[in-house]
Amino acid sequence: DAGITQSPRHKVTETGTPVTLRCHQTENHRYMYWYRQDPGHGLRLIHYSYGVKDTDKGEVSDGYSVSRSKTEDFLLTLESATSSQTSVYFCAIKREAGYEQYFGPGTRLTVT
Amino acid sequence: RKEVEQDPGPFNVPEGATVAFNCTYSNSASQSFFWYRQDCRKEPKLLMSVYSSGNEDGRFTAQLNRASQYISLLIRDSKLSDSATYLCVAPLASSYKLIFGSGTRLLVRP
Repeated sequence: DAGITQSPRHKVTETGTPVTLRCHQTENHRYMYWYRQDPGHGLRLIHYSYGVKDTDKGEVSDGYSVSRSKTEDFLLTLESATSSQTSVYFCAIKREAGYEQYFGPGTRLTVT
Repeated sequence: RKEVEQDPGPFNVPEGATVAFNCTYSNSASQSFFWYRQDCRKEPKLLMSVYSSGNEDGRFTAQLNRASQYISLLIRDSKLSDSATYLCVAPLASSYKLIFGSGTRLLVRP
């Protein structure tokens, strides 16, 4: 257990509304990641962070922004949600040694 | 060519069977690989890391063939609880980002 929680776990929202998902970790890891998972596409990286205020884009970053003002929290914001952003969103951390990542329980987001 | 490719399956096997999955990768510079297990509507969980030619953990064996650029996962004496999707994963060269295969689904029947 890597001590990762995500909130909310489920959310239904309307097209055009802003949405923020939160990832919280308790073990002070520097590296944090946001992924989305869709049928037929597998896990795709949205954004990642390598420290407080240090973030970078992944392969599917359009329409998403992130913020990391504290080590323990990594926020993912959909500025104006679209139906194509209906997905399951996973947060992950990487420990300082190695490449392995450990995942939170996920947030299931539906945009209607 | 996708960076990490897997046969999506499903593989449908009886309890007690031995089953093997293959995964091919495109980046010859990759040094380490991982297998994750994902149950339906759950998060992926690390099953095995492969840093050299292979790794074994109980009924699970992972092997790496660098010349042919593929990784395999062998499951012996399959259990009903092994039913899941298995994700093959490789690091993106010179970064701490991972590339995930789309997964291979395994169904173990009584």
